[in-house]
Amino acid sequence: NAGVMQNPRHLVRRRGQEARLRCSPMKGHSHVYWYRQLPEEGLKFMVYLQKENIIDESGMPKERFSAEFPKEGPSILRIQQVVRGDSAAYFCASSPSRKLNEKLFFGSGTQLSVL
Amino acid sequence: RKEVEQDPGPFNVPEGATVAFNCTYSNSASQSFFWYRQDCRKEPKLLMSVYSSGNEDGRFTAQLNRASQYISLLIRDSKLSDSATYLCVVVETGTASKLTFGTGTRLQVTL
Repeated sequence: NAGVMQNPRHLVRRRGQEARLRCSPMKGHSHVYWYRQLPEEGLKFMVYLQKENIIDESGMPKERFSAEFPKEGPSILRIQQVVRGDSAAYFCASSPSRKLNEKLFFGSGTQLSVL
Repeated sequence: RKEVEQDPGPFNVPEGATVAFNCTYSNSASQSFFWYRQDCRKEPKLLMSVYSSGNEDGRFTAQLNRASQYISLLIRDSKLSDSATYLCVVVETGTASKLTFGTGTRLQVTL
């Protein structure tokens, strides 16, 4: 049973380009969460999605960031017109249900570097 | 005030030592508490949940003090492999969708 799969592991973009980060949850998990970790900081919640629905996007920046979790395929975190401040590690996690006292499984993350 | 505060460390301890970390949280309505471990910018991994009654898993003991709003983690007989960053995590009531992470406490166990 594969874990949470994120790709790419490393992504380099120039300022103004778009970044697409992909996350495939564990088999049987329909809840996906995205977190961002800036250098020397803790993980910050961005968005929580269930299949085809955004449940909580209170941590998403108001502009340039969007997320989706289609019926088929991985969850996508999209960052348009990237800036240097977007450089960070982006982690995806999945769970089988909404109850967070169950174990939350994280992917290995995508390290985004903006030149 | 940060929602979850931790001493960043680093804590440098010799093998075999006992080390304790504390974490404070600001929202008294917080409902669930965890310790996660993160190695060198890799993904965080759940170490243990934290209960008011205290819980123990081998060399690790976690404790919650709701009155003082702090959480502790005790590691006995430290191993080199315990070197990592330990993240205090809180879930607030009514926000079952997200974990709030502290910035972590760095532990370095030496020979």
